[in-house]
Amino acid sequence: DTEVTQTPKHLVMGMTNKKSLKCEQHMGHRAMYWYKQKAKKPPELMFVYSYEKLSINESVPSRFSPECPNSSLLNLHLHALQPEDSALYLCASSPRALAGNEQFFGPGTRLTVL
Amino acid sequence: QKEVEQNSGPLSVPEGAIASLNCTYSDRGSQSFFWYRQYSGKSPELIMSIYSNGDKEDGRFTAQLNKASQYVSLLIRDSQPSDSATYLCAGSNSGYALNFGKGTSLLVTP
Repeated sequence: DTEVTQTPKHLVMGMTNKKSLKCEQHMGHRAMYWYKQKAKKPPELMFVYSYEKLSINESVPSRFSPECPNSSLLNLHLHALQPEDSALYLCASSPRALAGNEQFFGPGTRLTVL
Repeated sequence: QKEVEQNSGPLSVPEGAIASLNCTYSDRGSQSFFWYRQYSGKSPELIMSIYSNGDKEDGRFTAQLNKASQYVSLLIRDSQPSDSATYLCAGSNSGYALNFGKGTSLLVTP
């Protein structure tokens, strides 16, 4: 299995809602990432998990809360989001969280905040 | 500032021609480079990785790296309309993060 899966594909939520994005990989990768991508912009790194531990938080607002329950799963919990948080949220994985490791992206979740 | 620069395009080439996509980077510590293809509304797909100076070929794709000139390129031979997409160049130094360029839009016309 050489893919990263993400659910849901699309999500519409109000500013008071709580929702979660899910990501799964079965490639035995030990590093997983959350990125945010706005239209016509490159992906922006949000969080990095290495061996199930949070390694990097790129100054992301606390309304985004990541979780790594095990080496195959990565969640992103969303609460009290703002309309400007509407974007494509991408999960990626790599064998290790090391320079030079190829990162493989999932299909993304298209999030709209009303 | 660790920057990766790409011409945003659009780069328009006729079907069957060679498309040449270019990328420069400012961080001399960058050791690894990646080309991702992204169709509109879809996620980035890794198409090439290059780690050392010179050329690396995979099918119709050739990646070129020149660390002295801090220059990375991607050549697509026999371009097809299905190659029309945004191509993202990314560099990696000693950290976790990929430094992405803003992407070059490629349009292959029949």
